Amino acid sequence: EAQVTQNPRYLITVTGKKLTVTCSQNMNHEYMSWYRQDPGLGLRQIYYSMNVEVTDKGDVPEGYKVSRKEKRNFPLILESPSPNQTSLYFCASSPGGESYGYTFGSGTRLTVV
Amino acid sequence: AQSVTQPDIHITVSEGASLELRCNYSYGATPYLFWYVQSPGQGLQLLLKYFSGDTLVQGIKGFEAEFKRSQSSFNLRKPSVHWSDAAEYFCAVGSFSGGYNKLIFGAGTRLAVHP
Repeated sequence: EAQVTQNPRYLITVTGKKLTVTCSQNMNHEYMSWYRQDPGLGLRQIYYSMNVEVTDKGDVPEGYKVSRKEKRNFPLILESPSPNQTSLYFCASSPGGESYGYTFGSGTRLTVV
Repeated sequence: AQSVTQPDIHITVSEGASLELRCNYSYGATPYLFWYVQSPGQGLQLLLKYFSGDTLVQGIKGFEAEFKRSQSSFNLRKPSVHWSDAAEYFCAVGSFSGGYNKLIFGAGTRLAVHP
């Protein structure tokens, strides 16, 4: 089944403790992206990647890092999480170009206390 | 700058009633427009998309949307709502720039369905 898989689904952590949210897609998509969803704000893009080793900042990149060492994986790293990063996070992938078939993962609900 | 506005934060309808969710966009060129649905605890599922051509677009689950360039709108409609349609709905515009296609989302409309 074609899908984007995120792990974990739920995570509670403490301020300052580094964490990684994994994202993997099995569709051989070129593009991958991370979004965060907050009430009243919709989804905002954190980082995106157009191919292996090609990443760039989205609209709200502060406090986050990403890497794209393999085509299928695009982990989101929070080096020193803070409570304002409590949110629902989505990974998404797309074939790229003007084919806008974005597929979203099921989400990771992160709470930073 | 590109943006999407969904004027209604919450909408409540009775089961069997018709539904229209509003979406207005701001985009300089011909927009690529999308509607996604997010059921409780789930990811986002694509309902329908508009690229060009016929301005009335059919989607899954009985939804349709109409692109109106003069009004910068892309409203989502369904003639008869089912209880399972209770969810959050997001309108998005695709922004293709620098070789990358980016989705810009509205704030969402939460739909409640009364029996």
